[in-house]
Amino acid sequence: SYVLTQPPSVSVAPGKAASITCGENNLGGKSVHWYQQKPGQAPLLVIYYDTDRPSGIPERFSGSSSGNTATLTISRVEAGDEADYYCQVWDSSSDQVVFGGGTKLTVL
Amino acid sequence: EVQLVESGGGLVQPGGSLRLSCVATGFTFDEYAIHWVRLAPGKGLEWVAGVSENSGSPGYADSVKGRFTISRDNAKNSVFLQMDSLRVEDTALYYCTKDAYSSRWYTLTGMDVWGQGTMVTVSS
Repeated sequence: SYVLTQPPSVSVAPGKAASITCGENNLGGKSVHWYQQKPGQAPLLVIYYDTDRPSGIPERFSGSSSGNTATLTISRVEAGDEADYYCQVWDSSSDQVVFGGGTKLTVL
Repeated sequence: EVQLVESGGGLVQPGGSLRLSCVATGFTFDEYAIHWVRLAPGKGLEWVAGVSENSGSPGYADSVKGRFTISRDNAKNSVFLQMDSLRVEDTALYYCTKDAYSSRWYTLTGMDVWGQGTMVTVSS
């Protein structure tokens, strides 16, 4: 089955930028969506179609994709950004929606 | 207000069944695909199933295929997840979620509205 690989954890100091990657051999051509989930809360869509930001999501959140890797970048990280982040695609070969394993962002 | 509200979770023995419900308000329900996503204790998000606006050809994760059935009733703005032959590993918080723009579950555009979830515990 299709697997999206994310680093288990990323740590960043407040005010710095954090990058979270999502990779797979055949990621190119797939649209990647990103979610933020804080403890006890439902997930929140922060990036869709690789780079688009839903209304209400701060401009500090941005997405990019190149080759077999998609990246979520959070600039000027704040304490409130501490959360789990997940990437997601629809995989046509397995006809399933797939989430990455998730990355825990820690703000130092 | 755009909202999804799940219900139907609970404690069930292995091999048992449960039926989850999700009621939608605040948007034109029959124009969007709806999915179920779960979060098991200590694990990451896992997509469970998706249904298109016309109920045709739903999709399932390999882990639940043949045991779970997703359906919808557009007249009642509701989606259901019938869970049979439940296993301990199905224990999770189950979320109902709406596709942001698409009416077909397999043309995923992101999931922009989520319920608060309903907890399913499978244990003897």
